[in-house]
Amino acid sequence: QSVVTQPPSASGTPGQRVTISCSGTSSNIGRNTVHWYHQFPGTAPKLVIHSDNQRPSGVPDRFSGSKSGTSASLAISGLQSEDEADYYCAAWDDSLNGWVFGGGTKLTVL
Amino acid sequence: EVQLVESGGVLVQPGGSLRLSCAASGFTFSTSWMHWVRQAPGKGLEWVANIKYDGSEIYYVGSVKGRFTISRDNAKNSLYLQMNSLRVEDTAMYYCAGPRFDPWGQGTLVTVSS
Repeated sequence: QSVVTQPPSASGTPGQRVTISCSGTSSNIGRNTVHWYHQFPGTAPKLVIHSDNQRPSGVPDRFSGSKSGTSASLAISGLQSEDEADYYCAAWDDSLNGWVFGGGTKLTVL
Repeated sequence: EVQLVESGGVLVQPGGSLRLSCAASGFTFSTSWMHWVRQAPGKGLEWVANIKYDGSEIYYVGSVKGRFTISRDNAKNSLYLQMNSLRVEDTAMYYCAGPRFDPWGQGTLVTVSS
């Protein structure tokens, strides 16, 4: 079980706004920045948000990130069918001296 | 084009050894922290190890400490993962990734089985 917790699944209809949570502790999310990735079946993950809320070039502005205390969230507005993927958060953990990934959230577009 | 290409994944018996390689291009490898991340079949991502751009800092996940060794050759723009005393539970797709886990390679499959 990961020290960083994500809901196993999330869903929404096209056009909706969905959020995916990432809950950690004071040794990881509470002290360090959070990055977010999506992964389509059979492919490598791709960065969608870095440093809590920064969008890499080429990532649509429908994707946004936020953090408060020991929790972070990824929001996707104007949901599209192509957003259906697995989403992971990651943060450095000062106690473990290593990176931790959340268990992943499977996003379904209904 | 920014690219990472892994190689070296094969079927190996428990207790065996393997060396993975990752060739980088399109970015300044010599000033970049680099990572290995693995994903067991049907499971989530697990960070394995990372190495500072000059090799002066290295970190491992607890389950591979003492068995895996990460290294790099900046002259060859290459990252390596030496894997010894392999276990069935090490079976996974192994990805190399850049700073902040961006970019990612396509992965190389390691299967540990008798």
